[in-house]
Amino acid sequence: GENVEQHPSTLSVQEGDSAVIKCTYSDSASNYFPWYKQELGKGPQLIIDIRSNVGEKKDQRIAVTLNKTAKHFSLHITETQPEDSAVYFCAASPPYSGGGADGLTFGKGTHLIIQP
Amino acid sequence: DAGVIQSPRHEVTEMGQEVTLRCKPISGHNSLFWYRQTMMRGLELLIYFNNNVPIDDSGMPEDRFSAKMPNASFSTLKIQPSEPRDSAVYFCASSVSGTGNTEAFFGQGTRLTVV
Repeated sequence: GENVEQHPSTLSVQEGDSAVIKCTYSDSASNYFPWYKQELGKGPQLIIDIRSNVGEKKDQRIAVTLNKTAKHFSLHITETQPEDSAVYFCAASPPYSGGGADGLTFGKGTHLIIQP
Repeated sequence: DAGVIQSPRHEVTEMGQEVTLRCKPISGHNSLFWYRQTMMRGLELLIYFNNNVPIDDSGMPEDRFSAKMPNASFSTLKIQPSEPRDSAVYFCASSVSGTGNTEAFFGQGTRLTVV
């Protein structure tokens, strides 16, 4: 099955600086890579996703890059703000098999701390 | 839509007791997932359903765990008998399956404590 590794487990950055979180995956057939943000006491919420036919995707201060050859993808947050403090999870999912949406395999998460 | 609704939000039970967690997916979503979150193991997929049919339950840890989806708007995850190591936050998520993977929407979770 799929295995997703995520680093670092904790990341502390100064407000206004950039933050980068990296993930690797093992199954070369995986083709969908979402990133989720989880705030305290809440369920994970999708913030951005990328599919394997795209190398980069950007949404305001958030961007994700994908390197299929190396099987790794990264989340970039620029101009960090206090409300960016949360736990971030990367995930990977295999191709749609015809039987329905398959489950995501998550990384272990990164606790992002924005220092004022 | 109110999103994915899980109940209860918190559950404290004694070892050996039966526990039932409940989930109402978003209306119109035809895929439903149960995840377990712990500090040690992170987010683990337990089982998922498509059109009310279980597709993959390989993540269910033991026979003590069972899940059902009797209709498109309701699912349960049951643990019988419960053990202290089952203590975790259990999340239900739903999505629309079609021609590709789509966003999974998570509920607020049920925090289970087995003493």
